Amino acid sequence: DAGITQSPRHKVTETGTPVTLRCHQTENHRYMYWYRQDPGHGLRLIHYSYGVKDTDKGEVSDGYSVSRSKTEDFLLTLESATSSQTSVYFCAISGGRGQTNYGYTFGSGTRLTVV
Amino acid sequence: LAKTTQPISMDSYEGQEVNITCSHNNIATNDYITWYQQFPSQGPRFIIQGYKTKVTNEVASLFIPADRKSSTLSLPRVSLSDTAVYYCLVGEVGDMRFGAGTRLTVKP
Repeated sequence: DAGITQSPRHKVTETGTPVTLRCHQTENHRYMYWYRQDPGHGLRLIHYSYGVKDTDKGEVSDGYSVSRSKTEDFLLTLESATSSQTSVYFCAISGGRGQTNYGYTFGSGTRLTVV
Repeated sequence: LAKTTQPISMDSYEGQEVNITCSHNNIATNDYITWYQQFPSQGPRFIIQGYKTKVTNEVASLFIPADRKSSTLSLPRVSLSDTAVYYCLVGEVGDMRFGAGTRLTVKP
């Protein structure tokens, strides 16, 4: 969607290597989120941010860290990639508190393969 | 945390009206109900949001009964391009959890 971009779109990496995914928004939204999507599990929240340097864990945060040094950028880092982290990763943004009166806008996703 | 329950899959034919119901028995007073649509290899897309009664936009209607323990997404006159997964969400920031969604297949 316009206003939110993810990079890279595709990545293949080796087990044990660090990986950073980037989410960039031009909407000046306060909230940003990282989800992963796997067959049979739907979308699961990894981490989210409610402002610069303000982040919190989601339901599947183990093995992931995030950083938000600027309003427009939210980075997801896999410190030491494992095969179980092979997935499609989606970033989302929202303007308000949760989804009260505000829907989420999702990026196009990053397909990560850990070999 | 309001957990949602939806049918896993539904089939329909072009031109028919499709109603997808979502149960959310533990919805909190401040929670809104939002529906998303997802096509393969794309991120979910916002369809409609509501708090109570009925909401309508150019693509769908959302019916919410007085007790708010369920909601129904109504898609009028579906086409083949409406084949997708539909998710119902309720909750607050940080607790927005997607269920498995409803896989709608529209047949010619």
